[in-house]
Amino acid sequence: QSALTQPASVSGSPGQSIAISCTGTSSDVGGYNYVSWYQQHPGKAPKLMIYDVSHRPSGVSDRFSGSKSGNTASLTISGLQAEDEADYYCSSYTSGSTRVFGGGTKLTVL
Amino acid sequence: QVPLVESGGGVVQPGRSLRLSCVASGFTFRSYAMHWVRQAPGKGLEWVAIISYDGSNKYYADSVKGRLTISRDNSKNTLYLEMNSLRAEDTAVYYCVKEDYGQIYFDQWGQGILVTVSS
Repeated sequence: QSALTQPASVSGSPGQSIAISCTGTSSDVGGYNYVSWYQQHPGKAPKLMIYDVSHRPSGVSDRFSGSKSGNTASLTISGLQAEDEADYYCSSYTSGSTRVFGGGTKLTVL
Repeated sequence: QVPLVESGGGVVQPGRSLRLSCVASGFTFRSYAMHWVRQAPGKGLEWVAIISYDGSNKYYADSVKGRLTISRDNSKNTLYLEMNSLRAEDTAVYYCVKEDYGQIYFDQWGQGILVTVSS
């Protein structure tokens, strides 16, 4: 049950696009289309942004998109806005019927 | 009405026990799998445990197996986390989390409750 690997930080200017990677193994990310992404602002509970690799819940901006290739999933945020500054976590289902999170990525909007 | 409200946190000495509760409202609690997720101060999210809608299946993170026990009482719309042999590394905000029906993602989170293990 090792945590999924995410970059510790990414940054971008308003209007730009950024991508956050999430690398696992064939026992989690690579084995199932059950990768989800969560946004967490300081002192707040996480919020679902993407589920099942690339699906957006109702109410989430279409500036957020997800994809997966092999054992690596990615979250892309286009047209960066100041309010996107937050921590982002990926999560995956695992072969042991458990769940696992990534270590988290701090997004800074310059 | 807040859908998930945790209680039972606080300061506890190493080796002691604590029980967290989470009262659910606004949805049919007995129909949904539920999780506990924790976050140590300044750290990332860590999945802790899942319990199926009827309590028949439970799975745990290796880091808590044998010490933490997830359970539920569907008649009381309440999820529990029994925490035994607590260690300093169990210090965290504990979130009660709902899994969407038939899905594999967390769609509702409680506000979180802080557990501090310290002598």
